[in-house]
Amino acid sequence: GAGVSQSPSNKVTEKGKDVELRCDPISGHTALYWYRQSLGQGLEFLIYFQGNSAPDKSGLPSDRFSAERTGGSVSTLTIQRTQQEDSAVYLCASSKDRVNYGYTFGSGTRLTVV
Amino acid sequence: AQSVTQPDIHITVSEGASLELRCNYSYGATPYLFWYVQSPGQGLQLLLKYFSGDTLVQGIKGFEAEFKRSQSSFNLRKPSVHWSDAAEYFCAVGANNAGNMLTFGGGTRLMVKP
Repeated sequence: GAGVSQSPSNKVTEKGKDVELRCDPISGHTALYWYRQSLGQGLEFLIYFQGNSAPDKSGLPSDRFSAERTGGSVSTLTIQRTQQEDSAVYLCASSKDRVNYGYTFGSGTRLTVV
Repeated sequence: AQSVTQPDIHITVSEGASLELRCNYSYGATPYLFWYVQSPGQGLQLLLKYFSGDTLVQGIKGFEAEFKRSQSSFNLRKPSVHWSDAAEYFCAVGANNAGNMLTFGGGTRLMVKP
């Protein structure tokens, strides 16, 4: 597609429920990233996919968080047993295979855990 | 590992005044440097980027930034601010040996007075 698409744009869930956030990157972009932006905070790196390589999961805050990328394209970020501190905007970005191209970001999913 | 510091959390300027947002980075070699802007409720949009060559780079919306190796800085400037420039601005640094990773600063929130 023309840009990075994220869905849903907003999600309200009850504490303890599982949620899935979706990211559809730009066609041909081999790298995909998930970041979290909490209220008034900067961007916190979560996970990075590059082609068929094993993902870099070093930023995932707990084992309740997981992500997969199917067919080198669409990615799903899953949060199990959500907690109130998981409330944030989850941003997805994609890029070509070199860092100097920079990222193209999606508009994000605003997650609210009540 | 690379890091980015944006010393100013909030800045307020009058419409028509000049603007400079500070960014300092830490990295052992020549970095790739970026500035992104985030309007309320939106994802991040790339303003400009520096890879090599001319240390003064021009971006969109009338912004420019200057890479100063001796000061490890990449400050963003605009000669005359418009009310529509009110947003949050993020500086980021990347390096090829960091697996295509961009590290972001904490952001600077710009407010524009009429």
